[in-house]
Amino acid sequence: DAGVIQSPRHEVTEMGQEVTLRCKPISGHNSLFWYRQTMMRGLELLIYFNNNVPIDDSGMPEDRFSAKMPNASFSTLKIQPSEPRDSAVYFCASLQGGGSYNEQFFGPGTRLTVL
Amino acid sequence: SQQGEEDPQALSIQEGENATMNCSYKTSINNLQWYRQNSGRGLVHLILIRSNEREKHSGRLRVTLDTSKKSSSLLITASRAADTASYFCATSGANNLFFGAGTRLTVIP
Repeated sequence: DAGVIQSPRHEVTEMGQEVTLRCKPISGHNSLFWYRQTMMRGLELLIYFNNNVPIDDSGMPEDRFSAKMPNASFSTLKIQPSEPRDSAVYFCASLQGGGSYNEQFFGPGTRLTVL
Repeated sequence: SQQGEEDPQALSIQEGENATMNCSYKTSINNLQWYRQNSGRGLVHLILIRSNEREKHSGRLRVTLDTSKKSSSLLITASRAADTASYFCATSGANNLFFGAGTRLTVIP
């Protein structure tokens, strides 16, 4: 298995632009997580899906952020409009079984820079 | 907050020495997990210890858990330069994990 796949790996955009980050979880995994990592705030959970349904989106910073999981093999995180403070590394992770009982498999991350 | 807190924030040792990192948390947990992150990469799962376990080993890794003190430790024995990374503890909530800020380990060859 190729592991969790994220694209793009790097994204540089200007303030006000729309940004879409993509994630393909490991086949057979039914839970998917989006995280944001910054030096100041560390690793923050943004949203968690189980069986394609959003379970907990309390970590989504504000309405500019939205996430979808239209099927078991694809998820997107969209920021519209983007702001410089959104600059961070965004990770997607997946696991099998749901809940917190198993290890999470992380993707390589997308480094987002908003100018 | 349920978030784990690692101590120390940074640790620098010579190759061959042992490295010990600690994690404290505030609420009851289902399990506690340790992850490693190399610079510019995603996190990699190292080991999971359940709340009813006290100690677990995996290769050069030894993890302890003291639920009465709400603390855990990760010991890396005979460290290698390749162990240089950030190490995170993650405590389990109902549906997700809460990650601490991490310990930055540097192993000097």
